[in-house]
Amino acid sequence: NAGVTQTPKFQVLKTGQSMTLQCAQDMNHNSMYWYRQDPGMGLRLIYYSASEGTTDKGEVPNGYNVSRLNKREFSLRLESAAPSQTSVYFCASRRAGGAGTYGYTFGSGTRLTVV
Amino acid sequence: AQSVAQPEDQVNVAEGNPLTVKCTYSVSGNPYLFWYVQYPNRGLQFLLKYITGDNLVKGSYGFEAEFNKSQTSFHLKKPSALVSDSALYFCAVRDDPGNNDMRFGAGTRLTVKP
Repeated sequence: NAGVTQTPKFQVLKTGQSMTLQCAQDMNHNSMYWYRQDPGMGLRLIYYSASEGTTDKGEVPNGYNVSRLNKREFSLRLESAAPSQTSVYFCASRRAGGAGTYGYTFGSGTRLTVV
Repeated sequence: AQSVAQPEDQVNVAEGNPLTVKCTYSVSGNPYLFWYVQYPNRGLQFLLKYITGDNLVKGSYGFEAEFNKSQTSFHLKKPSALVSDSALYFCAVRDDPGNNDMRFGAGTRLTVKP
């Protein structure tokens, strides 16, 4: 019962460096999401993938790119990291059907610091 | 666009007392409302949801939430708080089943003291 697995758990980057956050789910969920969590602001949607082969921008997509590699995997890439991207990043997934009423399953997060 | 507000950053209650964590929402259509809980260094966990039907929704760990359409609220409640309920609680809303942009509140930190 792995659920949603995120790697790495912690990362420190220098300004301008690039990195990819990995996310994989083993529940055969169709939809996957990337959120960032900042103090006092809750979770904000960066990008999502409603199904394999599709991706769409969320509320705060600037500075990020995503890839839905297959049904299981959804990665988030920072091409040129900035201190404003210091945050905790969460990946989530949701099963299809239920008229969109199912809740999300979240990973345990990646704590990213950009110095 | 949909939005949700959690007016209290922090809620403190004594163990055994009832607890309420407040949430108000704004949507253009019918709301799909959710509560999640986050324990330290963990991802969010689903607690309960309101889609349609009875205004009182029961969820995990003895929590329940009351949907009030006239007040656009969806407050989380528990009759008797436990120390282990101490965590960060998030309310979330979606205005359409096909809308993938679910909006979360800023979170309320609940502390239950022995």
